[in-house]
Amino acid sequence: QVKLLQSGAALVKPGDSVKMSCKASGYTFTDYIIHWVKQSHGKSLEWIGYINPYSGGTNYNEKFKSKATLTVDKSSSTAYMEFSRLTSEDSAIYYCARSGLPGYPNYFDYWGQGVMVTVSS
Amino acid sequence: DIQMTQSPASLSASLGETVSIECLASEDIYNNLAWYQQKPGKSPQLLIYYASSLQDGVPSRFSGSGSGTQYSLKINSLESEDAATYFCLQDSEYPYTFGAGTKLELK
Repeated sequence: QVKLLQSGAALVKPGDSVKMSCKASGYTFTDYIIHWVKQSHGKSLEWIGYINPYSGGTNYNEKFKSKATLTVDKSSSTAYMEFSRLTSEDSAIYYCARSGLPGYPNYFDYWGQGVMVTVSS
Repeated sequence: DIQMTQSPASLSASLGETVSIECLASEDIYNNLAWYQQKPGKSPQLLIYYASSLQDGVPSRFSGSGSGTQYSLKINSLESEDAATYFCLQDSEYPYTFGAGTKLELK
């Protein structure tokens, strides 16, 4: 079955960076686009962007363009997101999610369990 | 960016009742709308995509409808497991945007 297993929670200092992972299993990794989503305060959701594991092509929400970097390692079926220059506003849960259609970025059908990032000195 | 106005923010209903949740887009999103259910401490789960297509494994008491800028999620015959927060997502135009969520409580 399709699974997206994300890395563990992170406690980081303001100004630092954090890199989180999303390991896919149960399907052909390069067939489906991976999205990243931020959930703040236990409620509101924001789309950060996506990466196409086949081509490496990316599409970012302008709001996160200077903050997030999306990459993949096809050999391990893992997607990564690095978030830089962290502030308290970046404290949130970050999800990876798979697109619902192979090769297309439409909606998200499977989600990882989420990574809680806490930014604190 | 397309704004998604979701209503109500919260509602309380009894077992067996039928409820509806609305999402209003700031422009036409051509049925590119999905609905998600999220329970506390869990990831969102896809219920509906393309406004009215039921995701595999989702009970048929969930249904979606709408077009243009107005969309709704209907839950028939509420069960205790339906207590959750529900979100809409527009995937018509970048950046994709979500509704603020509706918290459904069972009386």
